Amino acid sequence: DAGVIQSPRHEVTEMGQEVTLRCKPISGHDYLFWYRQTMMRGLELLIYFNNNVPIDDSGMPEDRFSAKMPNASFSTLKIQPSEPRDSAVYFCASSLLGAGKNIQYFGAGTRLSVL
Amino acid sequence: AQSVAQPEDQVNVAEGNPLTVKCTYSVSGNPYLFWYVQYPNRGLQFLLKYITGDNLVKGSYGFEAEFNKSQTSFHLKKPSALVSDSALYFCAVRDMKYGGSQGKLFFGKGTKLSVKP
Repeated sequence: DAGVIQSPRHEVTEMGQEVTLRCKPISGHDYLFWYRQTMMRGLELLIYFNNNVPIDDSGMPEDRFSAKMPNASFSTLKIQPSEPRDSAVYFCASSLLGAGKNIQYFGAGTRLSVL
Repeated sequence: AQSVAQPEDQVNVAEGNPLTVKCTYSVSGNPYLFWYVQYPNRGLQFLLKYITGDNLVKGSYGFEAEFNKSQTSFHLKKPSALVSDSALYFCAVRDMKYGGSQGKLFFGKGTKLSVKP
Protein backbone atom coordinates (compact mmCIF):
# COMPACT_ATOMS: atom_id res chain seq x y z
CA ASP A 1 0.00 0.00 0.00
CA ALA A 2 1.27 3.49 -0.80
CA GLY A 3 0.21 4.86 2.55
CA VAL A 4 -1.74 8.05 3.12
CA ILE A 5 -1.28 10.39 0.19
CA GLN A 6 -1.62 14.14 0.54
CA SER A 7 -1.52 16.80 -2.12
CA PRO A 8 -0.10 19.25 -2.71
CA ARG A 9 3.06 18.93 -0.61
CA HIS A 10 3.55 22.67 -0.62
CA GLU A 11 1.08 25.47 -1.18
CA VAL A 12 1.81 29.16 -1.29
CA THR A 13 -1.11 31.50 -1.65
CA GLU A 14 -2.15 35.04 -0.97
CA MET A 15 -4.43 36.14 1.79
CA GLY A 16 -8.07 35.92 0.78
CA GLN A 17 -7.62 33.07 -1.66
CA GLU A 18 -9.32 29.71 -1.37
CA VAL A 19 -7.10 26.76 -0.51
CA THR A 20 -8.00 23.10 -0.94
CA LEU A 21 -5.93 20.32 0.59
CA ARG A 22 -6.47 16.75 -0.49
CA CYS A 23 -6.06 13.37 1.15
CA LYS A 24 -6.31 9.77 0.03
CA PRO A 25 -6.43 7.42 3.03
CA ILE A 26 -5.11 3.89 3.14
CA SER A 27 -7.53 1.55 1.40
CA GLY A 28 -9.87 -0.17 3.84
CA HIS A 29 -9.36 2.28 6.69
CA ASP A 30 -12.56 3.55 8.24
CA TYR A 31 -11.27 6.61 10.10
CA LEU A 32 -9.77 9.76 8.64
CA PHE A 33 -8.27 12.61 10.63
CA TRP A 34 -7.12 16.13 9.73
CA TYR A 35 -4.46 17.75 11.92
CA ARG A 36 -2.66 21.06 11.89
CA GLN A 37 0.86 21.51 13.21
CA THR A 38 2.49 24.80 14.16
CA MET A 39 5.44 25.68 16.35
CA MET A 40 3.24 27.65 18.72
CA ARG A 41 0.32 25.25 19.12
CA GLY A 42 1.84 21.88 18.33
CA LEU A 43 -0.34 19.19 16.75
CA GLU A 44 -4.04 20.01 16.74
CA LEU A 45 -6.86 17.72 15.66
CA LEU A 46 -9.19 19.65 13.40
CA ILE A 47 -11.82 17.09 12.45
CA TYR A 48 -12.24 13.37 11.99
CA PHE A 49 -14.53 11.10 10.02
CA ASN A 50 -15.77 7.57 10.55
CA ASN A 51 -17.08 5.78 7.48
CA ASN A 52 -17.13 9.12 5.63
CA VAL A 53 -19.29 10.79 8.29
CA PRO A 54 -17.87 13.71 10.31
CA ILE A 55 -17.77 12.69 13.98
CA ASP A 56 -16.05 15.57 15.74
CA ASP A 57 -15.29 18.95 14.18
CA SER A 58 -14.76 20.78 17.45
CA GLY A 59 -11.16 21.51 16.49
CA MET A 60 -12.03 23.40 13.32
CA PRO A 61 -10.90 26.94 14.10
CA GLU A 62 -13.74 28.85 12.46
CA ASP A 63 -16.23 28.87 9.65
CA ARG A 64 -13.53 29.57 7.12
CA PHE A 65 -12.51 25.94 7.46
CA SER A 66 -14.55 23.09 6.03
CA ALA A 67 -13.86 19.42 5.40
CA LYS A 68 -15.60 16.82 3.31
CA MET A 69 -15.28 13.12 2.67
CA PRO A 70 -17.42 12.28 -0.34
CA ASN A 71 -16.23 8.67 -0.43
CA ALA A 72 -13.98 6.24 1.41
CA SER A 73 -10.94 7.09 -0.68
CA PHE A 74 -10.91 10.89 -0.70
CA SER A 75 -11.17 13.84 1.63
CA THR A 76 -10.64 17.58 1.30
CA LEU A 77 -9.91 20.36 3.74
CA LYS A 78 -10.85 23.78 2.44
CA ILE A 79 -9.95 27.21 3.76
CA GLN A 80 -11.92 30.12 2.34
CA PRO A 81 -10.79 32.84 2.64
CA SER A 82 -7.27 32.05 3.77
CA GLU A 83 -5.36 34.22 6.25
CA PRO A 84 -1.65 34.42 7.16
CA ARG A 85 -2.36 32.81 10.54
CA ASP A 86 -3.49 29.67 8.70
CA SER A 87 0.12 29.05 7.69
CA ALA A 88 1.01 25.62 9.07
CA VAL A 89 1.65 22.03 8.10
CA TYR A 90 -1.60 20.12 7.64
CA PHE A 91 -1.57 16.37 8.10
CA CYS A 92 -4.09 13.76 7.16
CA ALA A 93 -4.10 10.40 8.92
CA SER A 94 -6.17 7.25 8.61
CA SER A 95 -6.76 4.26 10.83
CA LEU A 96 -8.71 1.06 11.17
CA LEU A 97 -10.55 0.64 14.42
CA GLY A 98 -10.72 -2.71 16.11
CA ALA A 99 -8.81 -5.11 18.29
CA GLY A 100 -5.11 -4.85 17.61
CA LYS A 101 -5.54 -1.84 15.35
CA ASN A 102 -6.00 1.78 16.47
CA ILE A 103 -2.79 2.93 14.83
CA GLN A 104 -3.04 6.18 12.92
CA TYR A 105 -0.99 6.37 9.75
CA PHE A 106 0.03 9.85 8.70
CA GLY A 107 0.61 11.37 5.33
CA ALA A 108 3.67 13.47 4.58
CA GLY A 109 1.70 16.67 5.11
CA THR A 110 0.95 19.84 3.17
CA ARG A 111 2.98 22.89 4.09
CA LEU A 112 0.73 25.90 3.63
CA SER A 113 2.08 29.43 3.45
CA VAL A 114 -0.43 32.27 3.26
CA LEU A 115 1.21 35.57 2.34
CA ALA B 1 -10.87 15.06 30.44
CA GLN B 2 -8.20 13.34 28.43
CA SER B 3 -4.72 14.82 28.21
CA VAL B 4 -1.09 13.97 27.65
CA ALA B 5 1.89 15.76 29.15
CA GLN B 6 5.44 15.63 27.86
CA PRO B 7 7.29 17.65 30.47
CA GLU B 8 10.49 18.12 28.48
CA ASP B 9 10.62 20.22 25.34
CA GLN B 10 14.04 18.83 24.54
CA VAL B 11 16.20 15.91 25.63
CA ASN B 12 19.91 15.82 24.88
CA VAL B 13 21.93 12.60 25.07
CA ALA B 14 25.28 11.39 23.84
CA GLU B 15 25.40 8.61 21.29
CA GLY B 16 25.61 5.23 22.99
CA ASN B 17 23.99 6.42 26.19
CA PRO B 18 20.52 5.34 27.26
CA LEU B 19 17.68 7.73 26.57
CA THR B 20 14.33 8.37 28.19
CA VAL B 21 11.53 10.58 26.89
CA LYS B 22 8.85 11.15 29.48
CA CYS B 23 5.08 11.02 29.09
CA THR B 24 2.22 11.15 31.58
CA TYR B 25 -1.45 10.92 30.76
CA SER B 26 -4.89 11.53 32.16
CA VAL B 27 -8.00 9.58 31.08
CA SER B 28 -11.35 8.59 32.53
CA GLY B 29 -11.21 4.94 31.54
CA ASN B 30 -8.43 2.57 30.58
CA PRO B 31 -5.84 4.01 28.20
CA TYR B 32 -4.50 2.97 24.87
CA LEU B 33 -1.05 4.58 24.67
CA PHE B 34 1.14 5.33 21.67
CA TRP B 35 4.49 6.78 20.73
CA TYR B 36 5.09 8.40 17.36
CA VAL B 37 8.26 9.85 15.86
CA GLN B 38 8.51 12.72 13.39
CA TYR B 39 11.61 13.34 11.31
CA PRO B 40 12.10 16.76 9.68
CA ASN B 41 9.63 17.49 6.88
CA ARG B 42 7.89 14.17 7.38
CA GLY B 43 4.63 12.93 8.82
CA LEU B 44 4.39 11.13 12.14
CA GLN B 45 5.43 7.49 12.17
CA PHE B 46 4.10 4.91 14.61
CA LEU B 47 6.73 3.50 17.00
CA LEU B 48 4.87 1.39 19.53
CA LYS B 49 1.66 1.03 21.49
CA TYR B 50 0.30 -0.31 24.75
CA ILE B 51 -3.18 -1.81 24.70
CA THR B 52 -3.12 -4.43 27.43
CA GLY B 53 -0.87 -7.13 28.82
CA ASP B 54 2.83 -6.80 29.55
CA ASN B 55 3.71 -3.36 30.87
CA LEU B 56 6.95 -3.29 28.86
CA VAL B 57 6.25 -2.77 25.20
CA LYS B 58 8.86 -3.16 22.49
CA GLY B 59 8.64 -1.26 19.24
CA SER B 60 10.51 -0.21 16.15
CA TYR B 61 14.18 0.79 15.95
CA GLY B 62 15.02 -0.69 19.37
CA PHE B 63 12.65 1.56 21.30
CA GLU B 64 10.58 0.36 24.22
CA ALA B 65 8.15 1.94 26.64
CA GLU B 66 6.97 1.05 30.09
CA PHE B 67 3.36 1.47 31.14
CA ASN B 68 2.99 2.42 34.79
CA LYS B 69 -0.64 2.62 35.83
CA SER B 70 -0.02 3.95 39.34
CA GLN B 71 2.09 6.82 38.02
CA THR B 72 -0.03 7.23 34.85
CA SER B 73 3.16 7.26 32.85
CA PHE B 74 4.36 5.76 29.57
CA HIS B 75 8.01 6.73 29.20
CA LEU B 76 9.88 5.94 26.00
CA LYS B 77 13.30 4.36 26.38
CA LYS B 78 16.21 3.06 24.39
CA PRO B 79 19.31 1.39 25.88
CA SER B 80 21.78 2.94 23.44
CA ALA B 81 20.97 6.09 21.49
CA LEU B 82 21.98 6.69 17.89
CA VAL B 83 22.52 10.01 16.14
CA SER B 84 19.83 8.92 13.70
CA ASP B 85 17.31 8.81 16.59
CA SER B 86 17.33 12.61 16.65
CA ALA B 87 13.76 13.64 15.91
CA LEU B 88 10.55 14.89 17.48
CA TYR B 89 8.71 12.34 19.61
CA PHE B 90 5.01 12.43 20.41
CA CYS B 91 3.11 10.53 23.08
CA ALA B 92 -0.61 9.95 22.50
CA VAL B 93 -3.52 8.42 24.41
CA ARG B 94 -6.94 7.12 23.54
CA ASP B 95 -9.48 6.90 26.33
CA MET B 96 -11.18 3.50 26.23
CA LYS B 97 -14.11 4.87 28.17
CA TYR B 98 -15.09 6.21 24.79
CA GLY B 99 -14.82 2.95 22.91
CA GLY B 100 -16.77 1.84 19.89
CA SER B 101 -16.77 4.55 17.28
CA GLN B 102 -14.57 6.97 19.19
CA GLY B 103 -11.21 6.87 17.43
CA LYS B 104 -9.80 10.14 18.70
CA LEU B 105 -6.21 10.31 19.96
CA PHE B 106 -4.90 13.02 22.25
CA PHE B 107 -1.31 14.00 21.49
CA GLY B 108 1.29 15.61 23.69
CA LYS B 109 3.18 18.67 22.51
CA GLY B 110 6.20 16.64 21.53
CA THR B 111 9.78 16.29 22.79
CA LYS B 112 12.73 17.05 20.61
CA LEU B 113 15.42 14.41 21.04
CA SER B 114 18.95 15.42 20.11
CA VAL B 115 21.64 12.74 20.06
CA LYS B 116 25.18 14.03 19.72
CA PRO B 117 28.10 11.93 18.47
